[in-house]
Amino acid sequence: EIVLTQSPATLSLSPGERATLSCRASQSVSSYLAWYQQKPGQAPRLLIYDASNRATGIPARFSGSGSGTDFTLTISSLEPEDFAVYYCQQRSNWSYTFGQGTKLEIK
Amino acid sequence: EVQLVESGGGLVKPGGSLRLSCAASGFTFSSYSMNWVRQAPGKGLEWVSSISSSSSYIYYADSVKGRFTISRDNAKNSLYLQMNSLRAEDTAVYYCARGIIAAAGTNAFDIWGQGTMVTVSS
Repeated sequence: EIVLTQSPATLSLSPGERATLSCRASQSVSSYLAWYQQKPGQAPRLLIYDASNRATGIPARFSGSGSGTDFTLTISSLEPEDFAVYYCQQRSNWSYTFGQGTKLEIK
Repeated sequence: EVQLVESGGGLVKPGGSLRLSCAASGFTFSSYSMNWVRQAPGKGLEWVSSISSSSSYIYYADSVKGRFTISRDNAKNSLYLQMNSLRAEDTAVYYCARGIIAAAGTNAFDIWGQGTMVTVSS
């Protein structure tokens, strides 16, 4: 099973700052890496799929990069509504795994 | 509006059974693979099972293989999860999620329901 490790576990930033979240896979997942945002009491929301493609309706301040084993989600300028938990997710051989999450909190 | 609505959650004793349903609307259900993902209280997300658009391909996480059965009824725009031999560790919010249709394949889940809570406790 491919393990995804997200870092940091918690990221404390202020609105307007740039956020950089990392996801590392235990083996190559090619570009089959997605990012989700989850707020308390809500379902996850797809932000990025296939490493760098923004999902429908996702603001341009969210961007994804990487391939193989190292991936990054960047939020260029944090808005108040961006403070949430972020998960990465990979697909391999019709099995999916998620990272443990990064909590983005207001500093 | 594209929507997924889960139902069927509740409290069940260890060893018991429960059947979850997910009603889809606002899109051509029969064209999409569908999935179940769960989240234990205060924990992260765990993929449970996937079913292809025509039910030809079905996959399970090792943690539920042999106990859970995924199915769908395209005529009723509905997805199901039959859960047997339930354990305390199956306690979670269960989400149904649509598999995205993208050039590179179905590698993510683009639409999620609000979830239904399953509690396994004596």
